[in-house]
Amino acid sequence: DAMVIQNPRYQVTQFGKPVTLSCSQTLNHNVMYWYQQKSSQAPKLLFHYYDKDFNNEADTPDNFQSRRPNTSFCFLDIRSPGLGDAAMYLCATSRDHHASEQYFGPGTRLTVT
Amino acid sequence: GESVGLHLPTLSVQEGDNSIINCAYSNSASDYFIWYKQESGKGPQFIIDIRSNMDKRQGQRVTVLLNKTVKHLSLQIAATQPGDSAVYFCAEQGGSEKLVFGKGTKLTVNP
Repeated sequence: DAMVIQNPRYQVTQFGKPVTLSCSQTLNHNVMYWYQQKSSQAPKLLFHYYDKDFNNEADTPDNFQSRRPNTSFCFLDIRSPGLGDAAMYLCATSRDHHASEQYFGPGTRLTVT
Repeated sequence: GESVGLHLPTLSVQEGDNSIINCAYSNSASDYFIWYKQESGKGPQFIIDIRSNMDKRQGQRVTVLLNKTVKHLSLQIAATQPGDSAVYFCAEQGGSEKLVFGKGTKLTVNP
């Protein structure tokens, strides 16, 4: 059974048109993460939530926002997608902050036209 | 700053051989290390982890070795199978709590 679910798996949006990616988890984990992964590169952390506490990475553009309405769901909002935002977006969860395995979802492949 | 790198971007092995994937890290304060496997079009999948108070940990067909003296991490896969073909990432975690990924090594298993 899927533990970290991401929808949609593929998303096409137009340049400048807001888009929302969603992630849900059945693990009841405290921490949820959003990563951006471009082709042939390692995942890059954008931000994470520890419960309701939001933690933004210093180099994450303001164009990227996140919401976590409850334990199970977390959303990634891209307010004005640019061509450079085309990437795989990975959601992950972990029970705790440190020394705790992160479980990744299958990712959403975002294309910007 | 924190950074994790890999020695080789690609590795090609014959089916049945053992594979060794290497990783160098720079943050001596890192105390938790993970290896992930990522198949094409999928999210990273946990393989094995190790804490800094250990130098070796074994799983099913996989072994992780940690050498803190030279800040080196390796993943050994025994009897490599075609299904092991993927990109392998090492990742480290230290005081910042952030998981820092290395660049990845693409493993190709030839039948």
